[in-house]
Amino acid sequence: GAVVSQHPSRVICKSGTSVKIECRSLDFQATTMFWYRQFPKKSLMLMATSNEGSKATYEQGVEKDKFLINHASLTLSTLTVTSAHPEDSSFYICSARPLKGTEGDTQYFGPGTRLTVL
Amino acid sequence: QKEVEQDPGPLSVPEGAIVSLNCTYSNSAFQYFMWYRQYSRKGPELLMYTYSSGNKEDGRFTAQVDKSSKYISLFIRDSQPSDSATYLCAMSASNNNDMRFGAGTRLTVKP
Repeated sequence: GAVVSQHPSRVICKSGTSVKIECRSLDFQATTMFWYRQFPKKSLMLMATSNEGSKATYEQGVEKDKFLINHASLTLSTLTVTSAHPEDSSFYICSARPLKGTEGDTQYFGPGTRLTVL
Repeated sequence: QKEVEQDPGPLSVPEGAIVSLNCTYSNSAFQYFMWYRQYSRKGPELLMYTYSSGNKEDGRFTAQVDKSSKYISLFIRDSQPSDSATYLCAMSASNNNDMRFGAGTRLTVKP
């Protein structure tokens, strides 16, 4: 149980285009999903917290107009990188926190999406 | 001072060795402690989850939490080459809405 999927697993795009990444909890419901960014050999950096049905909460220094987050249902959150630039190239990982009392108080991570902006 | 400190390594051990991974933290409000394993170019996988102080064992893995010292450990017995990965500690004060990660320790188990 507690499987989180991400799509796509890898994307290469041209500078200036927008890229959408989906995060789905496959076998549980998640009121809260998290989006992280990870640079090579570095730890996870929390970008934003996404709650179903409400606006995302962004960490300091993360541009909310550049990284659009939508949490449309209890099993789906999307991250859209708008007008992507080469410096946005990174490994983006989502996680989902199950509803309390189901899978426990922890986060389950997706496999990540590697974004390369040319 | 970072909230969570973890030696990034790298750490290299022979197969069969006992591995000890550690993190220290400064926020006394942390109550939930996790260890994640991350293989190269993959998402983190939850290994161990502990609430408050004490020990927890799962197969070859043992997690220890010492809240008085603000110190947590993960022990791997009879280490295998397949254990080669980056191990991340994580902790939060409540409900994981404010989870903080360590830098991750890269472990290599040599056959």
